[in-house]
Amino acid sequence: GIQVEQSPPDLILQEGANSTLRCNFSDSVNNLQWFHQNPWGQLINLFYIPSGTKQNGRLSATTVATERYSLLYISSSQTTDSGVYFCAVERMDSSYKLIFGSGTRLLVRP
Amino acid sequence: GAGVSQSPSNKVTEKGKDVELRCDPISGHTALYWYRQSLGQGLEFLIYFQGNSAPDKSGLPSDRFSAERTGGSVSTLTIQRTQQEDSAVYLCASSLAQGIYKFDTEAFFGQGTRLTVV
Repeated sequence: GIQVEQSPPDLILQEGANSTLRCNFSDSVNNLQWFHQNPWGQLINLFYIPSGTKQNGRLSATTVATERYSLLYISSSQTTDSGVYFCAVERMDSSYKLIFGSGTRLLVRP
Repeated sequence: GAGVSQSPSNKVTEKGKDVELRCDPISGHTALYWYRQSLGQGLEFLIYFQGNSAPDKSGLPSDRFSAERTGGSVSTLTIQRTQQEDSAVYLCASSLAQGIYKFDTEAFFGQGTRLTVV
């Protein structure tokens, strides 16, 4: 099956710093989503981005489908950004399921 | 409803008992998914529904696990004879994906059911 690798696995930032999270995938995809799992376990949709670039406030994401990777940028980080960031992909075949990476655990210190 | 709703939020059960977990997808969403997340781990796919049928049950870990969906809406995940290793958060998601000529769409998750088997 498709492999989804996220890096780094853990990240500690000082409030105000910028960061880049990476997601590599091993096959062509129809769908790619970034999620933030908050400390209460809720998965919050950040971006639906099978290709191209999107921005939402301090967050932006870029997916280069031909090179099979996606990047999530967090600028001017805040303590509320802490949590786990997941990348999930849907393979380009008849399968509908999202396959998740193992996540990047982010801690933003005040 | 406005979002995916799961019930109960928390469930503590004794080993060997059966449990039922419920998922109400977003209204109009034809695709429904169940995932499991063990403590500190990623999300493990369990089963996918398109309407009332389940074309992909590949993630169900054993025959103690089953799921159904009725009326193209509510889904129930049943775990029989629960074991301690079944303890996890069970997450449900829904999306608009339809038919074999699917179009790409976004999945939305519920808040999950935290299952503890003692």
